[in-house]
Amino acid sequence: GAGVSQTPSNKVTEKGKYVELRCDPISGHTALYWYRQSLGQGPEFLIYFQGTGAADDSGLPNDRFFAVRPEGSVSTLKIQRTERGDSAVYLCASSATGARSGANVLTFGAGSRLTVL
Amino acid sequence: ELKVEQNPLFLSMQEGKNYTIYCNYSTTSDRLYWYRQDPGKSLESLFVLLSNGAVKQEGRLMASLDTKARLSTLHITAAVHDLSATYFCAVDEAYGGSQGNLIFGKGTKLSVKP
Repeated sequence: GAGVSQTPSNKVTEKGKYVELRCDPISGHTALYWYRQSLGQGPEFLIYFQGTGAADDSGLPNDRFFAVRPEGSVSTLKIQRTERGDSAVYLCASSATGARSGANVLTFGAGSRLTVL
Repeated sequence: ELKVEQNPLFLSMQEGKNYTIYCNYSTTSDRLYWYRQDPGKSLESLFVLLSNGAVKQEGRLMASLDTKARLSTLHITAAVHDLSATYFCAVDEAYGGSQGNLIFGKGTKLSVKP
């Protein structure tokens, strides 16, 4: 597509529920990133895919968070047993080059705002 | 662990004035990015700085990179209200390492008043 598309744009859930957030990157972009942004803060890195594989998942806060990108395009971020502290805007970004290839300009989606009650 | 610090975090300016936002980072890198975020919106790429001494300009904004000092600056010239936004710098961890993710500063919230 023309840009990075994220769905849903807003998600309200109850503590303990399971949530899936979807990201559709720019067509042809091999690198895909998930970030989390809390109010008044900068984006916090979660996980980075190069193709289908997770090149770096060191930012995932704990084992309740998991992400997949089975066909190297669309990615899903999955959060189990949600907690109130998971409330944030989850940003997805993609880039054409990924790591160590000169400029690695990330194009961000509009984000999915998650609220855990 | 790469840390990125911006200052100031909040900046209130009068229209027509000049000011500089600073971005310091803790480990070696030669790739630094500036992004803009409007309230309720996502991040928009402004500048890509890829080498020591790199300077980029767009309108009233100019960004520079000093890799030896691990410092980037974003200079605002003759500010106008439309520049009001939050500005983030981000540093690429990939230099000399295996990661490719960007580490962001906390952002500088700029408010330009008439």
